[in-house]
Formats: sequence, C-alpha cells, structure tokens
Amino acid sequence: NAGVMQNPRHLVRRRGQEARLRCSPMKGHSHVYWYRQLPEEGLKFMVYLQKENIIDESGMPKERFSAEFPKEGPSILRIQQVVRGDSAAYFCASSQGSSGANVLTFGAGSRLTVL
Amino acid sequence: ILNVEQSPQSLHVQEGDSTNFTCSFPSSNFYALHWYRWETAKSPEALFVMTLNGDEKKKGRISATLNTKEGYSYLYIKGSQPEDSATYLCAYDNYGQNFVFGPGTRLSVLP
Repeated sequence: NAGVMQNPRHLVRRRGQEARLRCSPMKGHSHVYWYRQLPEEGLKFMVYLQKENIIDESGMPKERFSAEFPKEGPSILRIQQVVRGDSAAYFCASSQGSSGANVLTFGAGSRLTVL
Repeated sequence: ILNVEQSPQSLHVQEGDSTNFTCSFPSSNFYALHWYRWETAKSPEALFVMTLNGDEKKKGRISATLNTKEGYSYLYIKGSQPEDSATYLCAYDNYGQNFVFGPGTRLSVLP
C-alpha cells in the first residue's frame, strides 16, 4: 500500500533551467496539496488541486510556477527559469476529501537545488 | 493573511519530563485543526484531527485539547522519551480550501 510518492527526491538545476516535480497521491486520494519549505522555515502552502482542477493557488508565485493534476498520471509542479531562491524542499500531500476531518498524507519531499 | 502561531519555537527537556506546547489560530469561522509530527529526514505524520470546541484527543502518551472560541490548542507529552524528539506542527483548515501550517515547535528530549 504505497503512500504518497514524490520524485525526484533530489534535483539539481542551473539558473534558467526548468524543474518538474512529480507527486503520485495515495491510492484512493483525489486531493493533492503542494507545500514549500525554505531553509530554516516551516511549510508554506502553494497550491491545492483535485483531478483536473486547481482549487486554490493562492500560495503560488505569480510567475514561473504552475501545477497540474491530470485525469491520468501524477500531479506535477513545474518551475520555469529557476533562480537560486527557488532552492527548497517541496512537499506534496494528499487526502481523500476536502473536509477538515481528512488528514494529509505527506510524501518524502523533493529537494531542489539551484546552482 | 491567516496567521497560525506556535510556541515555543524550540524546547529541550529531559527524558521522563512532561511537556506541552501551544498552537494559536483564528477563532472565527473555525473548521478543523490538525497536529502533525515531523521527524528529521522523514515526512510529517498526522497525530490528531480536532473539529469541536472542547475536543480532547489522546494517543499513547500524547494528547491534545482544543479551544475554538479563543483560538488555541495544546499538545501534551507525558513522560517524554528520546523518540519523541521531532518538530510538532499544527495546521489550520482554511475553510476546506487549504491547510495553513504553523512554524512548528522543535522538541529535543535528552536522555
């Protein structure tokens, strides 16, 4: 019973390149959340998606960042033209529903390093 | 901007000591509050989901209380053990839209 799978675990990119982070939610979960952890900081909400829909992207930077959760396949967080400030750990979590009673199950995170 | 605060930021206790820390959140339009435990090099894991004012939840030596009217929740650990060392996060459910996490309390239990 695989949990939330994130890949890659570690990604190194040079400034200006693109980074793609993938998240496969737990089986039976149709809600996906992306969080970013900057060095020495907590988890900051980025985006909340259901299958094929973005529900809340209030935490996403306006430029260069996008997310999707297609009908088939994993959710993808895409960062275009990365800059050093994008270096962080990106965590994905999934849940069965949007009710507050539904706990989040987290993946192991993807650590992005921008050189 | 929703503000979820936790105190203290970090805590060092001796093995066997009991301890507690606080999560404060907006008291209006409360929906749910979660507690998570985050060990170094692992993923956050859910401890409790709390939805009703006055809720008390318990799991082994760890328990939590909830006061939605004044906007705070306490997490208690009785007889701390070194394996309790972790960062404890609370998360406020923002109307089913997203979860706003507090900055966490980093607990170190010294043997």
